[in-house]
Amino acid sequence: NAGVTQTPKFRILKIGQSMTLQCTQDMNHNYMYWYRQDPGMGLKLIYYSVGAGITDKGEVPNGYNVSRSTTEDFPLRLELAAPSQTSVYFCASKMRGSSYNEQFFGPGTRLTVL
Amino acid sequence: AQKITQTQPGMFVQEKEAVTLDCTYDTSDQSYGLFWYKQPSSGEMIFLIYQGSYDEQNATEGRYSLNFQKARKSANLVISASQLGDSAMYFCAMREALSYGGATNKLIFGTGTLLAVQP
Repeated sequence: NAGVTQTPKFRILKIGQSMTLQCTQDMNHNYMYWYRQDPGMGLKLIYYSVGAGITDKGEVPNGYNVSRSTTEDFPLRLELAAPSQTSVYFCASKMRGSSYNEQFFGPGTRLTVL
Repeated sequence: AQKITQTQPGMFVQEKEAVTLDCTYDTSDQSYGLFWYKQPSSGEMIFLIYQGSYDEQNATEGRYSLNFQKARKSANLVISASQLGDSAMYFCAMREALSYGGATNKLIFGTGTLLAVQP
């Protein structure tokens, strides 16, 4: 299994541009999450999904959108990029069932908005 | 609101010594879970250990143990016999409590502790 994969690994955007961060997991996990990590800080939840067709906002959803058309994919969309969105973005997934199970994280996407 | 606090921005430890990374949490719920993740300089998030609020014994995973003191709302990570490869950022996280309709298993993270292991 590849686990959780994210593309691209790095990206530089100009203010006002848009882009989609891709996230795919091959573990048949129901739960998927998007976090951002600002320099020197912990992770903050942007959006999450408990299954295909179901998404909900996390702590910092403004400026982002998500969709979950399949179990495997959970793309994150930035519509009008702003410098405040410069961050490292992590996608994570978790299997349904025991709440013991940890979240598996992707390698992250480093985004810079200039 | 639930909150995780890690008061140590950075720590040094000598190789082969034990080190304790502090984590306190705030929640009014009875059912919750606590996690520790390691983030090396390469950036990935690596799961280390988990403690459930109803677990009576402290969790252990190899050289990692979690000192869980429920009354004090603390969940400190203890790394025994530190190795150079332990140098990394360490994050404490709490899973939200179960709610009506089931858990979403969202995690709330602390700000992290940067550990540097010295030879």
